[in-house]
Amino acid sequence: SQKIEQNSEALNIQEGKTATLTCNYTNYSPAYLQWYRQDPGRGPVFLLLIRENEKEKRKERLKVTFDTTLKQSLFHITASQPADSATYLCALPSGGYNKLIFGAGTRLAVHP
Amino acid sequence: DAGITQSPRYKITETGRQVTLMCHQTWSHSYMFWYRQDLGHGLRLIYYSAAADITDKGEVPDGYVVSRSKTENFPLTLESATRSQTSVYFCASSAPGQGASGANVLTFGAGSRLTVL
Repeated sequence: SQKIEQNSEALNIQEGKTATLTCNYTNYSPAYLQWYRQDPGRGPVFLLLIRENEKEKRKERLKVTFDTTLKQSLFHITASQPADSATYLCALPSGGYNKLIFGAGTRLAVHP
Repeated sequence: DAGITQSPRYKITETGRQVTLMCHQTWSHSYMFWYRQDLGHGLRLIYYSAAADITDKGEVPDGYVVSRSKTENFPLTLESATRSQTSVYFCASSAPGQGASGANVLTFGAGSRLTVL
């Protein structure tokens, strides 16, 4: 079955730097991959979707890449701000009805 | 109010009791999902529903029951709660086929934190 691996260690960076988070999956390449943000005590919020035929997707300071050869997606936040501190989850479809499975998430802490 | 709401937000119960977590969405989304979130495991899918009266098991369905008699409601019942079901439960909904890829983009509720003593 499909498995998703995200770095379980928190990522600590300085404000203004670029944060890069990694999502690896183990089996077949999905038709698309999604990234969500989760703040403490809240539900995840959708950020970006990238399809298998797209190498890169951007939204404001966010950039996602999708490498089906490496079975990996990278999530970048440029010019990071303390408000970007949160847990970021990778998700991809698995099985019927395109139901999503999620990685465990990586916690990002941006320090002033 | 528009959106997806879960109730109760916090619940403490005892082993063996029946507990029902409610989920209500106002968009008439056909797809609804229940996940549990535990440290070290991330979000795991319990049950999902493609439409009213259509439900199916996810990764971790044992000990849970769902129903979907109306499109807008998707309650999750723990028939006899166990300590291992202590968790944060998230309900989500989606309109199928969003975007050219037909991808499900989920909108989540705020979660229900359940403690089983």
